[in-house]
Amino acid sequence: DTAVSQTPKYLVTQMGNDKSIKCEQNLGHDTMYWYKQDSKKFLKIMFSYNNKELIINETVPNRFSPKSPDKAHLNLHINSLELGDSAVYFCASSQGAWGSDVYGYTFGSGTRLTVV
Amino acid sequence: GEDVEQSLFLSVREGDSSVINCTYTDSSSTYLYWYKQEPGAGLQLLTYIFSNMDMKQDQRLTVLLNKKDKHLSLRIADTQTGDSAIYFCAPEAPYTDKLIFGTGTRLQVFP
Repeated sequence: DTAVSQTPKYLVTQMGNDKSIKCEQNLGHDTMYWYKQDSKKFLKIMFSYNNKELIINETVPNRFSPKSPDKAHLNLHINSLELGDSAVYFCASSQGAWGSDVYGYTFGSGTRLTVV
Repeated sequence: GEDVEQSLFLSVREGDSSVINCTYTDSSSTYLYWYKQEPGAGLQLLTYIFSNMDMKQDQRLTVLLNKKDKHLSLRIADTQTGDSAIYFCAPEAPYTDKLIFGTGTRLQVFP
């Protein structure tokens, strides 16, 4: 039973298209995140939601729009895809909203997005 | 903001110990984590240390924290080929509920 699951695992699409990545967690966590990992393996937070409410919104183009229909889901929609959007996107969840606990974060397995 | 640095590569012989180092800039992190990423996989939480500890041991893993020098290290005893992966240091950025990841250290274990 996967704790944090993302779909799809791989996504290849053309420039200019709109695509979505879905994330679901069955851990009962209150907070969910999107991270972007570039080709150099550097990870950077994009968004975080606590109980469906946006709490972190880093400097990300507004072509990226997160949507949280309920606290177990956080989807990422990307409009007008660009070559530079190619990366691995990780979803994660954590128990708390402010401050961590001993469990840290649970990550999904990532979605590799390739824009051609 | 918080800056986290790690060396990019480490190569060790099977059976030796590996030490992966990390320096960070914000001394008020409450929790500091180590994550492991195997090829093609997501990040897996390996271990963590609470900021009021100097050392934590967890089977083959030993985490050392030097708060004064803002230095965190992960020692893997008796390194095996299955330990080959990228290891991320990730202190918690205080009061922000996010982790700041280092670049990751690629550990290669050879026979």
